[in-house]
Amino acid sequence: ETGVTQTPRHLVMGMTNKKSLKCEQHLGHNAMYWYKQSAKKPLELMFVYSLEERVENNSVPSRFSPECPNSSHLFLHLHTLQPEDSALYLCASSRGGTSGVNTGELFFGEGSRLTVL
Amino acid sequence: KNQVEQSPQSLIILEGKNCTLQCNYTVSPFSNLRWYKQDTGRGPVSLTIMTFSENTKSNGRYTATLDADTKQSSLHITASQLSDSASYICVVSASGYNKLIFGAGTRLAVHP
Repeated sequence: ETGVTQTPRHLVMGMTNKKSLKCEQHLGHNAMYWYKQSAKKPLELMFVYSLEERVENNSVPSRFSPECPNSSHLFLHLHTLQPEDSALYLCASSRGGTSGVNTGELFFGEGSRLTVL
Repeated sequence: KNQVEQSPQSLIILEGKNCTLQCNYTVSPFSNLRWYKQDTGRGPVSLTIMTFSENTKSNGRYTATLDADTKQSSLHITASQLSDSASYICVVSASGYNKLIFGAGTRLAVHP
């Protein structure tokens, strides 16, 4: 138990569906992240929220839409995805905000395995 | 270009044997280096952190080394156990909380 909970753990969707991934952290952290993990590739940073403000958006296609309503919750809204978007989506949190100290340690959730048909 | 390269890509060893995983990086400015363990179907969990001034750090049967001059790190696993089967990911931190450079990982399989 890392203190970061992701739901659902598995998701299968068609290219025309709209779904959302949810992440909740119970660690009192104020930075949250979405990463994409594809087989045999390094984790790819998608979005970073610090103190509920988006501070990083790594050229992610607009079919991925993040939402951070508060410092404990993070969503990734999905619509009109492509088969190449199939991957493990990892949520993480860490201490430190825009003026915080970076310890470099991320606390990851278990991930949401997404399959796009 | 900031990069982290890990070798080997995959490794199979017998239970009880030792092994060493390698991580080479070209990240600047360097802040710290972490090794994460990722069990199948789970998220990565931090094993150890190395800062610029540290050469060696142990966490149970895991020992990480860092050579800041050659920009290399290694993770040595002693007396491997079946539960060590996982992917091991090297992550180098540059400046800022979102400047983490990930390696592709080494997939380790420990067989009985």
